[in-house]
Amino acid sequence: QSVLTQPPSVSAAAGQKVTISCSGSSSNIGNNYVSWYQQLPGTAPKLLIYDNNKRPSGILDRFSGSKSGTSATLGITGLQTGDEADYYCETWDTSLTAVVFGGGTKLTVL
Amino acid sequence: QVQLVESGGGLVKPGGSLRLSCAASGFIFSDYYMSWVRQAPGKGLEWIAYITSTSDTIYYADSVRGRFTISRDNAKNSLYLQMTSVRAEDTALYYCVRDGVGAMPDFDYWGQGTLVTVSS
Repeated sequence: QSVLTQPPSVSAAAGQKVTISCSGSSSNIGNNYVSWYQQLPGTAPKLLIYDNNKRPSGILDRFSGSKSGTSATLGITGLQTGDEADYYCETWDTSLTAVVFGGGTKLTVL
Repeated sequence: QVQLVESGGGLVKPGGSLRLSCAASGFIFSDYYMSWVRQAPGKGLEWIAYITSTSDTIYYADSVRGRFTISRDNAKNSLYLQMTSVRAEDTALYYCVRDGVGAMPDFDYWGQGTLVTVSS
């Protein structure tokens, strides 16, 4: 069981918006920054969002991140078939003194 | 450009040992914290070890603490993972990752991974 809880799958139509949730606790999301990763099939993960809502250079503004309390959310607008991938949230857990990942969410673009 | 190239994976028997290496280039290796993250076949991501730039602080996941050792050689721009007493559940693709510029561990560059298979 992952410390961070994500829905196993989400889907939305091309061109629409989707959000992926990540639920944790005060020892992780509640008091630490959250990152998000995209893993396309057969490839290494790629950093999409860090420090809750910052995008690394080269990441399009179609991707956004937010945090409220002990939950974080990744938003993707203007969905494309190329966005079909697994998405993971990640943060530091102060109680565990460990990096923790969510279980991952598979995005399907209809 | 930043490159992380893992090596050392392969088939190992339960209870055996293996040493993974990661060759870093394209950035000042000694300035960055580094980690190992693994992914079992068909499963999600699991962080397993973290080391600061000067090796003064190291963290491990409970699943590998006492069996795996992370280390680095800044003169050789290399990161290592010594794996001992391996188990079937250690079978995974092992990624070398760089901790980015964020306030928390956030992994901005990933290698292509090296596959470790634990089987008799």
